[in-house]
Amino acid sequence: SQKIEQNSEALNIQEGKTATLTCNYTNYSPAYLQWYRQDPGRGPVFLLLIRENEKEKRKERLKVTFDTTLKQSLFHITASQPADSATYLCALGTSGGSYIPTFGRGTSLIVHP
Amino acid sequence: KAGVTQTPRYLIKTRGQQVTLSCSPISGHRSVSWYQQTPGQGLQFLFEYFSETQRNKGNFPGRFSGRQFSNSRSEMNVSTLELGDSALYLCASSLAQQLSGANVLTFGAGSRLTVL
Repeated sequence: SQKIEQNSEALNIQEGKTATLTCNYTNYSPAYLQWYRQDPGRGPVFLLLIRENEKEKRKERLKVTFDTTLKQSLFHITASQPADSATYLCALGTSGGSYIPTFGRGTSLIVHP
Repeated sequence: KAGVTQTPRYLIKTRGQQVTLSCSPISGHRSVSWYQQTPGQGLQFLFEYFSETQRNKGNFPGRFSGRQFSNSRSEMNVSTLELGDSALYLCASSLAQQLSGANVLTFGAGSRLTVL
């Protein structure tokens, strides 16, 4: 069956360090992968999109990698700040048919000052 | 421009009742999707509407229904509420440019439903 796996345990890091979150998937052939940020009681907010033919995308302090051989995406936040504390969700979209993205359950990031 | 607006933000119902939630998408967005979010299951896709037609549907019972109006505003309805329906219901709008191969969603703040 299709699965999208994100670490259910919260990631705790110190301010200034690089946070790395993982998204693994099985039985998918994604055309693209997205990362969203969600704060408590709010809806997710889109951060980055990376397509299947791209290896890496950057936006300010954010970097996403996409390895279709390993079936994995890594999401990095460099020089992390307490304001980066939130839950981060990955979402996969496939080509053809329904293009509704399917979400992982998210990983909570806590950045300590 | 204004974001996605969902109403009401919070509501409490009892088992057996029904509820209607409303979503106003970003101006120009014709696709509206609904998701249910619970701690145990994460974000689960309910259905998507485009130009007043249900275009995609998730794996939820028929008690969950929706519709979209000509101005792209959407409503979802849950009938015969069960305790397990307690969740955050999120609406998302998008341009839904299928040919681009990507569907970036803009979410509303959600409607928190508690069923007692």
